[in-house]
Order: sequence, then structure tokens, then C-alpha cells
Amino acid sequence: DGGITQSPKYLFRKEGQNVTLSCEQNLNHDAMYWYRQDPGQGLRLIYYSQIVNDFQKGDIAEGYSVSREKKESFPLTVTSAQKNPTAFYLCASSIAGNSYNEQFFGPGTRLTVL
Amino acid sequence: GNSVTQMEGPVTLSEEAFLTINCTYTATGYPSLFWYVQYPGEGLQLLLKATKADDKGSNKGFEATYRKETTSFHLEKGSVQVSDSAVYFCAVWGGATNKLIFGTGTLLAVQP
Repeated sequence: DGGITQSPKYLFRKEGQNVTLSCEQNLNHDAMYWYRQDPGQGLRLIYYSQIVNDFQKGDIAEGYSVSREKKESFPLTVTSAQKNPTAFYLCASSIAGNSYNEQFFGPGTRLTVL
Repeated sequence: GNSVTQMEGPVTLSEEAFLTINCTYTATGYPSLFWYVQYPGEGLQLLLKATKADDKGSNKGFEATYRKETTSFHLEKGSVQVSDSAVYFCAVWGGATNKLIFGTGTLLAVQP
């Protein structure tokens, strides 16, 4: 089955630690995205990538970093510089970064900072 | 920039009731409009979309019509089921921004 996988489903981190969230897709999509979801708020775009070895900052990129070395993979690192990292993180992909293609979402990773 | 405003929840309905969730947008040009649904503990799934004025998106009994004159994309369903309980997000894609902008989501709770 084609789709997007995110791991782990739940992640706990101590303050001051960096942590990397995994996102893999086997849909052969060019574009991939990371969103953050907080209670009562919509999704906010952290980073996105339209092609391998290229990515752009979204609306709330501070304290986060990404890489896109392979088409299938788009890992997100939450660094210690992120002031309030506890949230639900969603990865998505689309055929290309244009308006007519839906974004497919993974199941999400819930990060809790202790 | 582009933005989306949708009605606040929670919306609580009895099974077989009529559902409307309002969504209005601001955007330049001719944006594409989407409704996504999120079931508890899961990611988002595309429910329906419309790419030009007067288009009607439909899926699983849900419908929404792209109204450019009122900049709206209200979600409707004639008879809701308990299984429709979820959070519904309206979203707009503006070509100039190259991003999908989401509303804050509306929680729908359907009671048997």
C-alpha cells in the first residue's frame, strides 16, 4: 500500500535535547511538507520541499531544521532552540507543489517535552 | 496574504441532522479550495475540493460550492452519522504564496 509513514507515533524529549522525526513516503511525490498542529489552532507550515536537495522555510521555521537527501524521505529535527516544541507534527506530500494536487498526510507524531 | 475563517466549534448534532460548517476566505486571484477531515489521533484526509468558481466538490455525502461572489466554501451534509464525528478543516491554496493555508478547524460531535 502506498502512503506516508511517520515514526515514532509518540515521542518524549527532555528540555535541551534535539530530536528527529521521521517521514517517509512511497507515493513517488516530489513535494513534501511539515506542519505543526496545536490544540484549537489550524496547521502551521514549518518547512517544505518541492524537489530533492532543496527546501524552503514556512511560517514557523525557527528552531527547526530539515533535509531532503532522498525523494522518499524528509526528516524534521526539532532543536533545543525551539521554545515550545510540545505539539502534534504532521508530514504531508503531494505530486508537485501546485494547487491542483491534494496533499496526503501521515498519521502524525506527538512530541512532548518533559 | 491568504487567510481562512471557519466557524468555531464544537458543533454538536443528533444523528440524521443537517450539517453546515461555514468557511470564508481571502485570497488574490483564483485560489483552489479544500475541506480536510481529521479523525481522532490521525492525520488529515482530503474530503473534497473545488478549483474554480461555481465548482461543487462532493464526497461521502458532503458537499461544498465555491462561491467567489461571497468568498465562501461552506461544508454541508444532509444527514450526519456518528461516524462523521471529527475535526473539519477548510483550506485555501493561493498560487502566489505557493502554500496551503488552513482554518482553525471545527470539531463536529454527532450523538446517537
